[in-house]
Amino acid sequence: DAGVIQSPRHEVTEMGQEVTLRCKPISGHNSLFWYRQTMMRGLELLIYFNNNVPIDDSGMPEDRFSAKMPNASFSTLKIQPSEPRDSAVYFCASSWRANTEASEQFFGPGTRLTVL
Amino acid sequence: EDKVVQSPLSLVVHEGDTVTLNCSYEVTNFRSLLWYKQEKKAPTFLFMLTSSGIEKKSGRLSSILDKKELFSILNITATQTGDSAIYLCAVHERPTSTKKLTFGTGTRLTIIP
Repeated sequence: DAGVIQSPRHEVTEMGQEVTLRCKPISGHNSLFWYRQTMMRGLELLIYFNNNVPIDDSGMPEDRFSAKMPNASFSTLKIQPSEPRDSAVYFCASSWRANTEASEQFFGPGTRLTVL
Repeated sequence: EDKVVQSPLSLVVHEGDTVTLNCSYEVTNFRSLLWYKQEKKAPTFLFMLTSSGIEKKSGRLSSILDKKELFSILNITATQTGDSAIYLCAVHERPTSTKKLTFGTGTRLTIIP
């Protein structure tokens, strides 16, 4: 398995521009998570999906952030308009829920976003 | 508000030393605690702990959970330069259907040759 795939790996954009980050979870996983990591705040959960349905988006910082999961193999995180404080590494992770047991999350390589 | 606190924030030791990393938590409806290692890229899974007092071990790494005192430790013996990384602790709450993990800020471990 290729693992969780994210694109692009690096994105540099100017303030005000729209940014779209993409994620392909591990095949067969039914949960997908978007995280943001910065030096100041560490790893923060933004939103997660279970069976393609958003379950908790309380971590999404502002209305400028939106996420979609149109099918089991693809998700996007969009920032519009972007601001310099959005600069961070954005991780996508996926996992499989087996009955009621917790399971580990597998992380993608991340997208390093720089907003100038 | 639920929180996960790791200590120390940063640790520098010499190769061969033994280190202990700490993770304390305050969450409602605790289900499990996970340890991840993050080098230059994405976090990679180390351990999942659900029961108190049962040590999990993988090579030179081991971890144990204390659900009464609400903490976990991660031990690394005979450290090597390859152990240099950020070690993240995360807590999973019930019900498991939510699958939400709350992460600590991590401990940055540096091993000096």
